[in-house]
Amino acid sequence: DAGVTQSPTHLIKTRGQQVTLRCSPKSGHDTVSWYQQALGQGPQFIFQYYEEEERQRGNFPDRFSGHQFPNYSSELNVNALLLGDSALYLCASSLDVAGVGQAGELFFGEGSRLTVL
Amino acid sequence: RKEVEQDPGPFNVPEGATVAFNCTYSNSASQSFFWYRQDCRKEPKLLMSVYSSGNEDGRFTAQLNRASQYISLLIRDSKLSDSATYLCVVNRFGSSNTGKLIFGQGTTLQVKP
Repeated sequence: DAGVTQSPTHLIKTRGQQVTLRCSPKSGHDTVSWYQQALGQGPQFIFQYYEEEERQRGNFPDRFSGHQFPNYSSELNVNALLLGDSALYLCASSLDVAGVGQAGELFFGEGSRLTVL
Repeated sequence: RKEVEQDPGPFNVPEGATVAFNCTYSNSASQSFFWYRQDCRKEPKLLMSVYSSGNEDGRFTAQLNRASQYISLLIRDSKLSDSATYLCVVNRFGSSNTGKLIFGQGTTLQVKP
């Protein structure tokens, strides 16, 4: 049973560029959430996708956008990259049982580490 | 003020010690509570949920005090393998009744031989 997979694992971009990160959820999961984790900080919620719609959004600018496909996989896009966007981007999947995932458990991928120069 | 606050540590303890981590949350509407563990350069993983009555899983005990908006994690008989960052997490239901997890900064534990 494959867990959450993310690609790429590492990437380097320059300011102003655009990046697309990809995520395949754990088998059987229908909800994908994206988090940004800066060094020394806890993960910060970006947004959540369910049934191909953005269901909730955190305090991130419109430069951050996403998409969910019919097979539940998801993409995170960041435009006009800033130095401050350098972070580990974590994808987490869950099953929407009672609106909170299975007992609140998110299954995280290993993340995509983005460096913006 | 952060919605979930933790002492970042690090907590340096010898093997076999008992160590306690505390966490406070500011939003009284928070519905559910968890501790996640994150190893260095790895993804967070659920350690345990936290219930109002308190709950135990082996050497780990979690407590919740809703009145004080305070969560704790106690680790007994620390092992070298317990060295990690422990993230306090709360779930606040959104308008569509689905929660987004709010993570604290994390508390780093180093268990020494």
